[in-house]
Amino acid sequence: KAGVTQTPRYLIKTRGQQVTLSCSPISGHRSVSWYQQTPGQGLQFLFEYFSETQRNKGNFPGRFSGRQFSNSRSEMNVSTLELGDSALYLCASSLGQGAPTEAFFGQGTRLTVV
Amino acid sequence: KQEVTQIPAALSVPEGENLVLNCSFTDSAIYNLQWFRQDPGKGLTSLLLIQSSQREQTSGRLNASLDKSSGRSTLYIAASQPGDSATYLCAPTGGTSYGKLTFGQGTILTVHP
Repeated sequence: KAGVTQTPRYLIKTRGQQVTLSCSPISGHRSVSWYQQTPGQGLQFLFEYFSETQRNKGNFPGRFSGRQFSNSRSEMNVSTLELGDSALYLCASSLGQGAPTEAFFGQGTRLTVV
Repeated sequence: KQEVTQIPAALSVPEGENLVLNCSFTDSAIYNLQWFRQDPGKGLTSLLLIQSSQREQTSGRLNASLDKSSGRSTLYIAASQPGDSATYLCAPTGGTSYGKLTFGQGTILTVHP
């Protein structure tokens, strides 16, 4: 059974650009959550999608957005990149229906903004 | 707002020792709690999921306990090995938090031969 797949693994972008990250969940999982991990702030929740709808959102500016497709794959977009957006971006998938179930994480996308 | 604290922040032990990692959380209205490990620069690997109705969960050399009313969970690692070296994170989930795991800063574990 394939795990959670994130692409690309590494990205280098310039300030002011925008970036799109992709996450393919485990087959059968309908919930995808996104997290930002930095040395200073640790792991912070960005948002969660279930059946193409955002159900939950963390405290990040509107430059951070996401969407989910009918096959449960999710994308995260960051516009007008800032140096502080440099981080490891992780996505997690879970069944998503009913009570919270075990979450499984991908290997992450390392974004560097220069 | 859920807040998670993990103690100790770092731990360095010789191989073979039994270890205790502690996790405390402020909001006891949780549905379950997961323990993860993270190797440097990598994603999180799920170790154990313990439901709020459970007291313990075991997987191999790992045993997690949960005291929901006091807001505490403990991860026991038996007979530690160098391959156990990683950062360990706990994350409680509320019943209606829809995919949101709240993490502490983790415990950095180093097991030396």
